[in-house]
Amino acid sequence: QVQLQQSGAELVRPGVSVKISCKGSGYTFTDYAMHWVKQSHAKSLEWIGVISTYYGDATYNQKFKGKATMTVDKSSSTAYMELAGLTSEDSAIYYCARDSRDYGMDYWGQGTSVTVSS
Amino acid sequence: QIVLTQSPALMSASPGEKVTMTCSASSSVSYMFWYQQKPRSSPKPWIYLTSNLASGVPARFSGSGSGTSYSLTISIMEAEDAATYYCQQWSSKPLTFGIGTKLELK
Repeated sequence: QVQLQQSGAELVRPGVSVKISCKGSGYTFTDYAMHWVKQSHAKSLEWIGVISTYYGDATYNQKFKGKATMTVDKSSSTAYMELAGLTSEDSAIYYCARDSRDYGMDYWGQGTSVTVSS
Repeated sequence: QIVLTQSPALMSASPGEKVTMTCSASSSVSYMFWYQQKPRSSPKPWIYLTSNLASGVPARFSGSGSGTSYSLTISIMEAEDAATYYCQQWSSKPLTFGIGTKLELK
C-alpha cells in the first residue's frame, strides 16, 4: 500500500534551519511529483511548492522562496524540505503529499510538527 | 493568486439533515478539489475534478460547480461526516486552499 512516512517532530531555536524528510513506499517514487503543505492555526493550509521526483526540479510558492528548499533522493525514495532562518511564524505542521494529477493530492504523510522556540 | 472563500466557516447539522457548503474563487477556475480533515489527522482527498468522489468516499457526498462557484453537499448527514472540509484549486500557481468549513454534529 502507498505510504508517505515523514520524519519526527522538531523543536528548534530561532534562526536555525531544519530538514524534514518524506519517504515514499508502495509505489514507483519517481512516477509522482511531491507537494509540501504548511498547516498553521493562523493560515490554515498553505501550498509551499512541488518537486519533480524524477528530475528534481522544483516550483515554489513565491511566499516561501528563500524559506523552503525542496530536494529528492531517488535512491532512497525520499523527498526533503529544508526550512531556513526559522522564526515563530514557521511553527506549524508540514505535510508532504503525492501529486496524482487529476486526482489531486491523493496520499499525505502523517505530518511533521515544527516548533520554533528559544 | 486565487483566493478561495469558504462559507460558512462553522456549521452544525443533525443526523439525517442535508448539508451544503460553498467555495467561492476570486477568479475562474477549471476544477475544484475537496479534502476532509479530522482532528490530529492528515487531510484526505475527498472530491476531485469538482464532482468525482475519491476512493472510499460515501455516495451521500457530491460536488458541483463551475467558474467561481463550487459546493460540496451531503445528502444525509451522518456522525462520521463531522470534520473540516477544505476546497483547493489547481488552475493556477500558487495552488491555494480555502480556510475550511468546520462541520459539527448537532
